[in-house]
Amino acid sequence: DVKVTQSSRYLVKRTGEKVFLECVQDMDHENMFWYRQDPGLGLRLIYFSYDVKMKEKGDIPEGYSVSREKKERFSLILESASTNQTSMYLCASSLTWGGVTDTQYFGPGTRLTVL
Amino acid sequence: TQLLEQSPQFLSIQEGENLTVYCNSSSVFSSLQWYRQEPGEGPVLLVTVVTGGEVKKLKRLTFQFGDARKDSSLHITAAQPGDTGLYLCAGVDSGAGSYQLTFGKGTKLSVIP
Repeated sequence: DVKVTQSSRYLVKRTGEKVFLECVQDMDHENMFWYRQDPGLGLRLIYFSYDVKMKEKGDIPEGYSVSREKKERFSLILESASTNQTSMYLCASSLTWGGVTDTQYFGPGTRLTVL
Repeated sequence: TQLLEQSPQFLSIQEGENLTVYCNSSSVFSSLQWYRQEPGEGPVLLVTVVTGGEVKKLKRLTFQFGDARKDSSLHITAAQPGDTGLYLCAGVDSGAGSYQLTFGKGTKLSVIP
């Protein structure tokens, strides 16, 4: 079974802090994704990566950056957290990207609260 | 940006009842996926439908892709409390030189014992 793990299930930070969210997958997948999920807005793609050190902006990249130094690990960074970044953050990985039957495997999510 | 509208947004039913959830768009999709997300967990893929008019069954769940590949439905027969969760549809658009996966906002289902 594919396993995607996220470093924290719950996180509370203060405005202005630098926040790191870590994601690790154990299936040698090329592609990794970061989403945020908000009530009434659904899942929105922040960034994705199709290879080590490669990244592409998603629909809402403002205020975020990412890092992928190793194939299995994809980090989301909030340089200076703000209250409007309070959300559920979901990491996903997939073996292929660009096909009609691609499957994304999601982690359990990190619920981040910024005070 | 393609949009996927899911309805209803919330659904609360008694155990044993049947229900249908809809996913509609004005855009054509290459395929459509359905995910279920249980409280405190990430979404898990249930099915992918690719061909217009395609029907797939997964035990008590029946998924249909519209003939024009713009809409899809999920029908649950004899719902059980274990079906409780957020159901998300996601449309895949893999046109030449581009690829996009768009999620609907979800239908939150509660099945009461």
